[in-house]
Amino acid sequence: NAGVTQTPKFRVLKTGQSMTLLCAQDMNHEYMYWYRQDPGMGLRLIHYSVGEGTTAKGEVPDGYNVSRLKKQNFLLGLESAAPSQTSVYFCASRIDSGSSYNEQFFGPGTRLTVL
Amino acid sequence: RKEVEQDPGPFNVPEGATVAFNCTYSNSASQSFFWYRQDCRKEPKLLMSVYSSGNEDGRFTAQLNRASQYISLLIRDSKLSDSATYLCVVNRGYSTLTFGKGTMLLVSP
Repeated sequence: NAGVTQTPKFRVLKTGQSMTLLCAQDMNHEYMYWYRQDPGMGLRLIHYSVGEGTTAKGEVPDGYNVSRLKKQNFLLGLESAAPSQTSVYFCASRIDSGSSYNEQFFGPGTRLTVL
Repeated sequence: RKEVEQDPGPFNVPEGATVAFNCTYSNSASQSFFWYRQDCRKEPKLLMSVYSSGNEDGRFTAQLNRASQYISLLIRDSKLSDSATYLCVVNRGYSTLTFGKGTMLLVSP
């Protein structure tokens, strides 16, 4: 059981370049999330998905797009990267058992620098 | 008022000490509460859930005060390995969570 994995682990982009971050989970979880974490800001939700084929906006969705074509994968896209998107990106997933007390499991993170 | 507020610390304590963190939340409709632990440059991991009746797990005790809208975490007999950032987390609706900015704990020999 790999849990939640993220690809790539590190990336450096130039302003205006595009890229896609991949999150994969092997726990058959319905819910998946993308967060960013900046110094002094804590974790902020970018987008999330409550099931295959669904996506929803979080607190800070601007500049990002997501897709959930398969239940186990959640992709985060940056169409035109900006220095303000330099951050650590975490993906998470959780089961939907009808309780709001279900744990979110996090991936190891992707460290993105936009020059 | 911010959704979830925590003292950022750092809290510097010697091994064996007892340390307590508090966290306040603004949404009185919140239903589920957690403490997550995050080691430096690592992903957050669930430390414990916080129920209305409180929760104890070994050296860790969490309490919830709904009337005052705060959550606490008590760590007894601190170990060097307890050094980390502790995130107070509150649900926002059924599907999503709001994370506090974290409280840093440094345990020294």
